[in-house]
Amino acid sequence: AQSVSQHNHHVILSEAASLELGCNYSYGGTVNLFWYVQYPGQHLQLLLKYFSGDPLVKGIKGFEAEFIKSKFSFNLRKPSVQWSDTAEYFCAVIPGNNAGNMLTFGGGTRLMVKP
Amino acid sequence: DSGVTQTPKHLITATGQRVTLRCSPRSGDLSVYWYQQSLDQGLQFLIQYYNGEERAKGNILERFSAQQFPDLHSELNLSSLELGDSALYFCASSVGLAGGWAETQYFGPGTRLLVL
Repeated sequence: AQSVSQHNHHVILSEAASLELGCNYSYGGTVNLFWYVQYPGQHLQLLLKYFSGDPLVKGIKGFEAEFIKSKFSFNLRKPSVQWSDTAEYFCAVIPGNNAGNMLTFGGGTRLMVKP
Repeated sequence: DSGVTQTPKHLITATGQRVTLRCSPRSGDLSVYWYQQSLDQGLQFLIQYYNGEERAKGNILERFSAQQFPDLHSELNLSSLELGDSALYFCASSVGLAGGWAETQYFGPGTRLLVL
């Protein structure tokens, strides 16, 4: 079964610092990749997604992610974080042949941005 | 606001009891998914329904069941509750099956279940 790894469980940054959160998956075929964000006390919101095409994907709120097939990675980046980016970030995968469309999530990364 | 609604927001019950969680998908969405978020297991897929029929099953216990009604709302039934069932239960919806291509899922606010 496929798995998703997020190696950084907790990240603390100061405002204006750059962010990169790692995400690696184990599935070898075509994949569809997602980053979701969960602000404190709120539901999951989609940040960005990759299905095909340009491996550099831009999402909402200044986030972007790069799909590197050879490294099985889909890292999330933001050049300059804000205090309001404090949240938990989840990487998720749907294999391309997954007729059930179920998301497999990573363990999440808790980001705290200090003002 | 994703357009997915869930009730109740909070639920406190005792071990051995049965509860029903309700989800209304976004208008027009045919697929509904249930996920469980707990501290020890993280976010896990439970089950998916498409237009009233079960489409896929994940790590769902036999004590749990779900259904999707003709009006497309879904209910997740949890019975013989145990302390370990305490978690946040999310519902998500998507447009519907699309020839195997993945679809974006939109999540509801969740139901926080506490089993005492």
